[in-house]
Amino acid sequence: AQKVTQAQTEISVVEKEDVTLDCVYETRDTTYYLFWYKQPPSGELVFLIRRNSFDEQNEISGRYSWNFQKSTSSFNFTITASQVVDSAVYFCALSSRGVIQGAQKLVFGQGTRLTINP
Amino acid sequence: DTGVSQDPRHKITKRGQNVTFRCDPISEHNRLYWYRQTLGQGPEFLTYFQNEAQLEKSRLLSDRFSAERPKGSFSTLEIQRTEQGDSAMYLCASSLGTANTEAFFGQGTRLTVV
Repeated sequence: AQKVTQAQTEISVVEKEDVTLDCVYETRDTTYYLFWYKQPPSGELVFLIRRNSFDEQNEISGRYSWNFQKSTSSFNFTITASQVVDSAVYFCALSSRGVIQGAQKLVFGQGTRLTINP
Repeated sequence: DTGVSQDPRHKITKRGQNVTFRCDPISEHNRLYWYRQTLGQGPEFLTYFQNEAQLEKSRLLSDRFSAERPKGSFSTLEIQRTEQGDSAMYLCASSLGTANTEAFFGQGTRLTVV
């Protein structure tokens, strides 16, 4: 079975602080993909990053960085120098194999509500 | 075409009524997905189309739920005899037909069954 756990339900920090959102996953597949999505109050899920199971290289994109550690089945997300506009619910997700190779059925965690206070 | 479009954005219905939602994917995307999201939870997969073929359905999709994608373009999700437990946000997503490209989501249809 596939499972994603985001243990932090809510996080609140003051603007400009760094914040890390944790994600732990479970899968029996040897090939899988991990994702992070942002859901602002408007409701639309916004894609942030995709990482495949063979690529453990960390990635940085502006103030965002991701730390993928296969040994601990974790894919954590750090926002550096947080801003009020970063306030949203963030979801970690795992791709599950569909009946067609590569089908992108996603298994989501419960999400972490991040509030950045001015 | 700026993204995935869903209609309506909000729907309030009485228990026992039928409702239908529409999703227009990004035009060149041949994969289309439906998810359901309840308050405080992550989205849960409901069903998936490759062009007009419905290839996978979740156990969450009871007999009261039916989804179609005629001609492989827009999709509809119908719920018959709605129940209060059907109240949720219904999200549609689409992606290209290559392995594991990212899915782009619409803003969802929020259903409230009273």
